[in-house]
Amino acid sequence: ETGVTQSPTHLIKTRGQQVTLRCSSQSGHNTVSWYQQALGQGPQFIFQYYREEENGRGNFPPRFSGLQFPNYSSELNVNALELDDSALYLCASSQKQGVRTEAFFGQGTRLTVV
Amino acid sequence: RKEVEQDPGPFNVPEGATVAFNCTYSNSASQSFFWYRQDCRKEPKLLMSVYSSGNEDGRFTAQLNRASQYISLLIRDSKLSDSATYLCVVRSGGSYIPTFGRGTSLIVHP
Repeated sequence: ETGVTQSPTHLIKTRGQQVTLRCSSQSGHNTVSWYQQALGQGPQFIFQYYREEENGRGNFPPRFSGLQFPNYSSELNVNALELDDSALYLCASSQKQGVRTEAFFGQGTRLTVV
Repeated sequence: RKEVEQDPGPFNVPEGATVAFNCTYSNSASQSFFWYRQDCRKEPKLLMSVYSSGNEDGRFTAQLNRASQYISLLIRDSKLSDSATYLCVVRSGGSYIPTFGRGTSLIVHP
């Protein structure tokens, strides 16, 4: 086990609704990244948080937003859900101490928008 | 051109076969490289880091070719349990953000 936990594991929402996904990072890790993985595709980077600040953002619209808390856990919020937002959402934690630091993933939240 | 490209496969091989995957990256400033394995409907898990000199872990060998900007993964003596998607991951020196390829699917059959 990686020590990274995500909740919920599965979620069904209606188009136009809002959703909040949660991630608890591995102990000692100060960096959390969020990814969206559509079926048959690799994970696409959404954004990264380092010590409660956004540290980089991928090509996702502003309705995707996030937070990191003092204990380094994190939330991903998506407003005005669209059908194409249906995907596996992965959270990865790492320790920002060098480029060789690997990321450890949670089991993901599978979001279905209907 | 995508930042990280992989042949999606699937690679369909018999048990015991040797199989190789390649991954190309576009950013010449990339500094760290990894291979992750992802089982169906599961999260990606680190398989191995890729070092400049090449590295081996049991049946798995990873190599880096900076001049041609590609990394490779060689799996010898394939097992049924090796069936999974193999994701190539690249990270640039100025960023701690890893970029994933779309993955290469491997199916090992009896």
